[in-house]
Amino acid sequence: DVKVTQSSRYLVKRTGEKVFLECVQDMDHENMFWYRQDPGLGLRLIYFSYDVKMKEKGDIPEGYSVSREKKERFSLILESASTNQTSMYLCASSFARNYGYTFGSGTRLTVV
Amino acid sequence: KNEVEQSPQNLTAQEGEFITINCSYSVGISALHWLQQHPGGGIVSLFMLSSGKKKHGRLIATINIQEKHSSLHITASHPRDSAVYICAVNTGNQFYFGTGTSLTVIP
Repeated sequence: DVKVTQSSRYLVKRTGEKVFLECVQDMDHENMFWYRQDPGLGLRLIYFSYDVKMKEKGDIPEGYSVSREKKERFSLILESASTNQTSMYLCASSFARNYGYTFGSGTRLTVV
Repeated sequence: KNEVEQSPQNLTAQEGEFITINCSYSVGISALHWLQQHPGGGIVSLFMLSSGKKKHGRLIATINIQEKHSSLHITASHPRDSAVYICAVNTGNQFYFGTGTSLTVIP
């Protein structure tokens, strides 16, 4: 089974901190995605990557950046955390564009 | 405007009841997915459909491509079915997600 592992289940950070959310997948998937999930808004795409060192903005990239130095790892970076970035963050990967996604367990980030 | 609309948003059922969750979408799709998210947050894929009907245990998913509508049915519901169910469509270029249906099954 494909596994997508997010390094932290719960995080509490202070406003202004630089935050790294890590995601690793173990099935050599080309595509990786970062979403945030908020009540009433569903899942919204922040950034995605279709290859190593490649990144594309999703629907809500402001305040975030990403890094994909290795195929298996896709990192989401909050350069200066703000309280409106308190959310559930979900990483996903897929073999190709028309294939199903495998999701990680999510990271619940609270910015105080 | 949401490309994917789910109903109902919240649903409470007694154990044993038959449950239906609906999903309508407005874009052309290559596939539709039903996802399940448990209170801990992790999401698992239940079904991927491009036509017809699929069944897995007590879960049944149907899709009508012409009407751009899908339903997820749960027969003989059980408290362990309590979760958020999310409809997602794949246009071939990207995914669009519904906001989810929160299901609570009471013993």
